Amino acid sequence: GQQVMQIPQYQHVQEGEDFTTYCNSSTTLSNIQWYKQRPGGHPVFLIQLVKSGEVKKQKRLTFQFGEAKKNSSLHITATQTTDVGTYFCAGPAGGTSYGKLTFGQGTILTVHP
Amino acid sequence: NAGVMQNPRHLVRRRGQEARLRCSPMKGHSHVYWYRQLPEEGLKFMVYLQKENIIDESGMPKERFSAEFPKEGPSILRIQQVVRGDSAAYFCASSRSGTGVTGELFFGEGSRLTVL
Repeated sequence: GQQVMQIPQYQHVQEGEDFTTYCNSSTTLSNIQWYKQRPGGHPVFLIQLVKSGEVKKQKRLTFQFGEAKKNSSLHITATQTTDVGTYFCAGPAGGTSYGKLTFGQGTILTVHP
Repeated sequence: NAGVMQNPRHLVRRRGQEARLRCSPMKGHSHVYWYRQLPEEGLKFMVYLQKENIIDESGMPKERFSAEFPKEGPSILRIQQVVRGDSAAYFCASSRSGTGVTGELFFGEGSRLTVL
């Protein structure tokens, strides 16, 4: 079945350092979504990428969707303590066109002040 | 200003008891999804419902688990005869759009089930 893998599983950074998490799907995706979950919280939608090679920015966050639409990355510039949490990528499961998503296992980001 | 509302937030059950989790979608949303999250893992799809219909239950265990979304009232995820392996966070999500568009999911705060 479809698999979505994320690396690294854990990332510890000093405040001000950059952070990148990578997402790879075993199948081509029609789109990819990114979510953030704070410790003890619930997933919160960050962004959706649809086009091959697409790059989107949200302040210090940069999201990329690969040319082959099988991989994606999230880069945070100059991390802050408020960036702490788990970052998940997710893609439509089995080619479905509704909210049935296959989530990666997430990258847990810790930011040391 | 209600987002997705879930209750209870925390639930403790002994093995063999029943757990009943409720979810009210965001106003204007009629598509509800249930996901399960084990500690330090990603979310796993369980079921997708619209009012009075189960659209996709491919992620839900065949036994002991059931879900409904009645015409009136919240969606309910029911787990009968709970076992320790059912301990997890259960998240409900709703979306504005239905089939044909993979849109943003709005998640509730989750129901954290502990089975003793």
